[in-house]
Amino acid sequence: QLHLVQSGAEVRDPGASIKVSCKASGDTSGVYVIHWLRQAPGQGLEWLGYVNPKSGGTNYAEKFQGRVIMTRDASISTVYMELPRLTSEDSAVYFCARRYGSTGLDPWGQGTLVAVSS
Amino acid sequence: AIQLTQSPSSLSASVGDRLTITCRASQGISSDLAWYRQESGKPPKLLIQGASILVSGVPSRFSGSGSGTDFTLTISSLQPEDFATYYCHQYNAYPFTFGPGTKVD
Repeated sequence: QLHLVQSGAEVRDPGASIKVSCKASGDTSGVYVIHWLRQAPGQGLEWLGYVNPKSGGTNYAEKFQGRVIMTRDASISTVYMELPRLTSEDSAVYFCARRYGSTGLDPWGQGTLVAVSS
Repeated sequence: AIQLTQSPSSLSASVGDRLTITCRASQGISSDLAWYRQESGKPPKLLIQGASILVSGVPSRFSGSGSGTDFTLTISSLQPEDFATYYCHQYNAYPFTFGPGTKVD
């Protein structure tokens, strides 16, 4: 079974950047990618993109292209999502989640709260 | 992008009730639809994928149906942990999109 553990909550000033980590443990074998999503307070789910932990290949939502950067460190089974030039609209809980083959997203990390405020 | 709508947006129910939530896609997505339950303060939990395939470990009171553009999630007998928000999710095409959610209270 795979478990995903994310880094802790962060507070940033507008214009700053954030880098959230997502570490996989347990059964990390198999072909899968890690997706990043976010959920603003009281809102629904928004997809940001995905990164392949083995190849490093990425696919970003058009809204975030040119801004979000998803990377990985295969040696420690960790992927990262970096978002620069933060605004208050980026305040949200950020989730990582695995997609194994052509399936839904499971499991999910516990979420990382990012608050952008001056 | 493929848009998903859900109905109802919220509903009031009691333990033991049978519930049905619908999800409609703006274009055909075959059976590439998943359902999630999100309890307050927790990440979403995958319940159904492939529109009707129950994920291992998920109670059999959950069932899904549909293909193309119209889908349903049914809970046969509501349990206390089912008071939550439910989201449908299409993975037929990028960008992945989600319905706006149905809150059950």
